[in-house]
Amino acid sequence: QQPVQSPQAVILREGEDAVINCSSSKALYSVHWYRQKHGEAPVFLMILLKGGEQKGHDKISASFNEKKQQSSLYLTASQLSYSGTYFCGTAYTQGGSEKLVFGKGTKLTVNP
Amino acid sequence: DVKVTQSSRYLVKRTGEKVFLECVQDMDHENMFWYRQDPGLGLRLIYFSYDVKMKEKGDIPEGYSVSREKKERFSLILESASTNQTSMYLCASTAGWQPQHFGDGTRLSIL
Repeated sequence: QQPVQSPQAVILREGEDAVINCSSSKALYSVHWYRQKHGEAPVFLMILLKGGEQKGHDKISASFNEKKQQSSLYLTASQLSYSGTYFCGTAYTQGGSEKLVFGKGTKLTVNP
Repeated sequence: DVKVTQSSRYLVKRTGEKVFLECVQDMDHENMFWYRQDPGLGLRLIYFSYDVKMKEKGDIPEGYSVSREKKERFSLILESASTNQTSMYLCASTAGWQPQHFGDGTRLSIL
């Protein structure tokens, strides 16, 4: 039930755009996106809830298509600071509580 | 700001030892989680807890146990450490469906 992220890795030049996809074989209630820089803890970017809502965070936005059980993260006009590994987490209820199952991550490298 | 503190950044233990990893959060969150992170495998959930003394198995609980005696503290226990438990361990906390806040991680080496 681990969501599948694609691509596994992407290399960009500063200013270029990228899309990271996250798909699940199970029905989704929400999708979380995190970024982890090397040697640091993962940091929350955004949550997307049922309804296909698109959210934005600076020049990073995301969409959630619950029918297709997919979410996509859009990085526009990438900056050097965008480098890191991006994880999507799909939310499930278990034992009366909520847990996230994370994908394997997409490593993004932005070069000058 | 939410603060999740893991007791050690680096830890080296021997095979067969009982190992304790401690995690403390300061935001009165009811939910706490333990993950392990390995290259190419992402973050995998070991155990989580949604209340004091309550625990739920995650996706890879074998060889681990947990303890939550107080709301702010969640401990991960390796009953008898093995070399395949060498990994980065991350603790996180949250309230409800809010974002998870992660600690800086403990890099554990089992020799």
